[in-house]
Amino acid sequence: QKEVEQNSGPLSVPEGAIASLNCTYSDRVSQSFFWYRQYSGKSPELIMSIYSNGDKEDGRFTAQLNKASQYVSLLIRDSQPSDSATYLCAVNPFGGSNYKLTFGKGTLLTVNP
Amino acid sequence: DTGVSQDPRHKITKRGQNVTFRCDPISEHNRLYWYRQTLGQGPEFLTYFQNEAQLEKSRLLSDRFSAERPKGSFSTLEIQRTEQGDSAMYLCASSLDVLPQETQYFGPGTRLLVL
Repeated sequence: QKEVEQNSGPLSVPEGAIASLNCTYSDRVSQSFFWYRQYSGKSPELIMSIYSNGDKEDGRFTAQLNKASQYVSLLIRDSQPSDSATYLCAVNPFGGSNYKLTFGKGTLLTVNP
Repeated sequence: DTGVSQDPRHKITKRGQNVTFRCDPISEHNRLYWYRQTLGQGPEFLTYFQNEAQLEKSRLLSDRFSAERPKGSFSTLEIQRTEQGDSAMYLCASSLDVLPQETQYFGPGTRLLVL
């Protein structure tokens, strides 16, 4: 069974620190990787997508992908209390056509003022 | 608002009743997905449409569940004879099949509580 694993947390960091969120996946043919942020009681909101090995930066967010290690991470620099949410890692398990996503259970991040 | 919309946002029903949810995707998106999310879990795929064609259904989608997208625009998800285990957030997402960077955008969800 194709799986996506995340540490459930909670991960607690002080305001201004770097938060590091990790995700591993089991299906080697996976091609598309996504990080969604989900506030309590709300729906997932896309934060980052990454398709190639290496780093991708967008503002305070950096996604890192290592396909050989089947590992994807999200770094949040200068963490703010408004970043407190559950972060969901999602993977396209079939490669090529993103017609469904497999999600991890999410990591709860708390940023303390 | 040009995002994905869902209706209703909340639904409370009694066990055994039928419920229907609606999803309106982003207007130019040709793919539409339904997911279900329970507390402490990530969303789980239920089914997906390419235009009006339903191309895949998860094993999670029992015979009591049916989904349609009659004109390739909005979609409905119906649950017949609801059970308490159906209580969850039902999420709709849409995307445009532009490879390789197709991205799914989620609606606000419909939270179902079966009493």
